[in-house]
Amino acid sequence: GDSVTQMEGPVTLSEEAFLTINCTYTATGYPSLFWYVQYPGEGLQLLLKATKADDKGSNKGFEATYRKETTSFHLEKGSVQVSDSAVYFCALSANAGGTSYGKLTFGQGTILTVHP
Amino acid sequence: DTEVTQTPKHLVMGMTNKKSLKCEQHMGHRAMYWYKQKAKKPPELMFVYSYEKLSINESVPSRFSPECPNSSLLNLHLHALQPEDSALYLCASSQDWGRREKLFFGSGTQLSVL
Repeated sequence: GDSVTQMEGPVTLSEEAFLTINCTYTATGYPSLFWYVQYPGEGLQLLLKATKADDKGSNKGFEATYRKETTSFHLEKGSVQVSDSAVYFCALSANAGGTSYGKLTFGQGTILTVHP
Repeated sequence: DTEVTQTPKHLVMGMTNKKSLKCEQHMGHRAMYWYKQKAKKPPELMFVYSYEKLSINESVPSRFSPECPNSSLLNLHLHALQPEDSALYLCASSQDWGRREKLFFGSGTQLSVL
């Protein structure tokens, strides 16, 4: 079935450091890929998405590129801030025929802590 | 209005109680979802409603009973829960179901079962 594998955390960085959180997936066909962020005490918010190969999603300085050849969707940010401290979830939603059809399959989540 | 509103934010209940969680959205979305999230884990899908009809039930125990009274409201009725049901319950909505669209999440109800 469909699955998402995220790099294990937690990740601890100093402010202005470069961030990469790795995400790879297994799915049939061409799923849509998402990064969601969850701040403490809140629900999930969509950070960015990509719907086809080579698409780049971007938002708030974060970027991720849909790489079908490596089945990856790694999240990057050039300079993190303290306010970026949160849990980040990679997720996919498959097209018809996939086990993720009509729902999101999440990775395990990566806790990011950014220190001043 | 791009919000999904959940009430209550916190709920403590005994194993013999009956309670309900409520979710509301006014974005005209036709798909609504219930997720359960344990601490430090990803959300797990429980139910999906599409056009007010139950489309997915992920083999959830019958002590959880969803209801979709209209296109803007989603309830989750709770009865005879177990302590292991303590979790954050998230409601979400999307424009349509099955089109690989983004979900809008509420802030959740933190449930404690004693």
